[in-house]
Amino acid sequence: DGGITQSPKYLFRKEGQNVTLSCEQNLNHDAMYWYRQDPGQGLRLIYYSQIVNDFQKGDIAEGYSVSREKKESFPLTVTSAQKNPTAFYLCASSFRGRANTDTQYFGPGTRLTVL
Amino acid sequence: QKEVEQNSGPLSVPEGAIASLNCTYSDRGSQSFFWYRQYSGKSPELIMFIYSNGDKEDGRFTAQLNKASQYVSLLIRDSQPSDSATYLCAVRGTGRRALTFGSGTRLQVQP
Repeated sequence: DGGITQSPKYLFRKEGQNVTLSCEQNLNHDAMYWYRQDPGQGLRLIYYSQIVNDFQKGDIAEGYSVSREKKESFPLTVTSAQKNPTAFYLCASSFRGRANTDTQYFGPGTRLTVL
Repeated sequence: QKEVEQNSGPLSVPEGAIASLNCTYSDRGSQSFFWYRQYSGKSPELIMFIYSNGDKEDGRFTAQLNKASQYVSLLIRDSQPSDSATYLCAVRGTGRRALTFGSGTRLQVQP
């Protein structure tokens, strides 16, 4: 099956801990993205990567880090510096074609709760 | 001013009616526009995208774009209870690959 997988589905973090959220895709997409969604709100961009070994900060990158060592994988680490990490985290990917038709598809998401 | 604005709703329509969802955006240079559907607790699913002024139809869905007015809408014909969800408008702005999302409009289709 082709698609985007995220794990775990639910994650609980104690204050002061770093946690890593996994995102894998087998769609041969070039670009990958991480968004955060808070209740009743839209998605906000954390980081994105258009090619392997390159990534850029999004609108709310503070307290997060990423890596892109393989085309298929784009893990997100939520560090202890992120003060309000409880949210729904969504990974997306897209084929890096023409800008106006570049369409993003989402994984199932990880729901992170700080205890 | 938010970059992408949507009425949060809920928008309530009877089964079989046309649901009209609206979105305005602030970046006049925005290139393309997307509508996603999100069921409660789930991730967004792409419904359709549009990048040229006018209408684009796909089954029961029609996206309408008016760049001069910085306005994009989604019409759902013959609304079904299964269409009840939050609809997210997303915009690709000037020089940007990632999308900027509105906060979504919650649609309720009454049987």
